[in-house]
Amino acid sequence: AQRVTQPEKLLSVFKGAPVELKCNYSYSGSPELFWYVQYSRQRLQLLLRHISRESIKGFTADLNKGETSFHLKKPFAQEEDSAMYYCALRGQGAQKLVFGQGTRLTINP
Amino acid sequence: GAVVSQHPSRVICKSGTSVKIECRSLDFQATTMFWYRQFPKQSLMLMATSNEGSKATYEQGVEKDKFLINHASLTLSTLTVTSAHPEDSSFYICSASERGGPDTQYFGPGTRLTVL
Repeated sequence: AQRVTQPEKLLSVFKGAPVELKCNYSYSGSPELFWYVQYSRQRLQLLLRHISRESIKGFTADLNKGETSFHLKKPFAQEEDSAMYYCALRGQGAQKLVFGQGTRLTINP
Repeated sequence: GAVVSQHPSRVICKSGTSVKIECRSLDFQATTMFWYRQFPKQSLMLMATSNEGSKATYEQGVEKDKFLINHASLTLSTLTVTSAHPEDSSFYICSASERGGPDTQYFGPGTRLTVL
């Protein structure tokens, strides 16, 4: 079964501090992992995907197959990073995404 | 580019009536559209995957006769909630993947359905 777990429903850090949003997954094959972000009153949008290996808005995420994790990190949080973040998985050859429960990130000034 | 719209943005209906929600890809052709449901403070749950010109594939536990999905063109998919009941009240979100493009899902803004 495919499952995505985001253990933290809420995460609050101060501006300028490092932030890490945790994501663990369960999948027997080689998955594709994504992070989606939803800012207040906006639609869900793709933040980054593991195959791109790029940094978006200062965020990075590395797929760790040994630990089955895809944690999202940013060294210095900014107030505009406050949003809802969802980790998602897509199985090999599949079309659909499986989402985690989401983490609400709040950056305090 | 890659904008997905939904109409209406919110709808209130009486129990027992049917409600249709439209999902459109505005500036691209979408071979595949997805319908999700999101309860308050919960994650998105995939209801069905819709490929243009073919029947939708429903997720386990989703009643296909209650949630009718039509994907008649490359830019439009509709979700009809038939004989709606208060427990169908939820936030319904669609997404679309671009034909021939990267397999990124672009999300609509969602439709808030309230069944009285």
